[in-house]
Amino acid sequence: QVQLVESGGRVVQPGRSLRLSCAASGFTFSSYAMHWVRQAPGKGLEWVAVISYDGRNKYYADSVMGRFTISRDNSKNTLYLQMNSLRVEDTAVHYCARFRDPDAFDFWGQGTMVTVSS
Amino acid sequence: DIQMTQSPSTLSASVGDRVTITCRASQSISRWLAWYQQKPGKAPKLLIYKASSLESGVPSRFSGSGSGTEFTLTISSLQPDDFAIYYCQQYNSCSWTFGQGTKVEIK
Repeated sequence: QVQLVESGGRVVQPGRSLRLSCAASGFTFSSYAMHWVRQAPGKGLEWVAVISYDGRNKYYADSVMGRFTISRDNSKNTLYLQMNSLRVEDTAVHYCARFRDPDAFDFWGQGTMVTVSS
Repeated sequence: DIQMTQSPSTLSASVGDRVTITCRASQSISRWLAWYQQKPGKAPKLLIYKASSLESGVPSRFSGSGSGTEFTLTISSLQPDDFAIYYCQQYNSCSWTFGQGTKVEIK
């Protein structure tokens, strides 16, 4: 069965960096675009970034452009999110999600919590 | 960027009620609209894709309709397991946006 397992979330000070990982299993990872979506405490869902199946194309939300970098290693079935210059407003549960092109996010991980606080 | 606006923000209903949630897009998105259900502490779950297609395994009491800029999610007979937050989401030209969510609570 499809499984997405995020890791790497923790408490970090403003201005610092953090890398999140998402380990995928149960499907052909290299055939799917993958996304990061986040949810601040008590708030709605916010799309963060996408990477194409082959890693060549990447798009970002304006709120993270220039600070976050999405990447993938298809040999390891793993998705990454490098988060630099973290801000208090980046505090959120970060989910990785598989995109069933061109429809919708059909599988989600359980999420990993990033807390940015001094 | 395309903005998605859901209404209402909160909906109070009883078991057995017919419930409708509306989602409006700031510009036409054809039928590239999905609906998700989220329960506390859990990841969202896909219910409807391409505006009206029911995801495999989702009960048939859930249905979606609409195209262009106006869409609806209908629950034909609300069940205890359906009390949750519902989000619409659009996909258009390398842009993905969610609505702000509609909380369906017990009346």
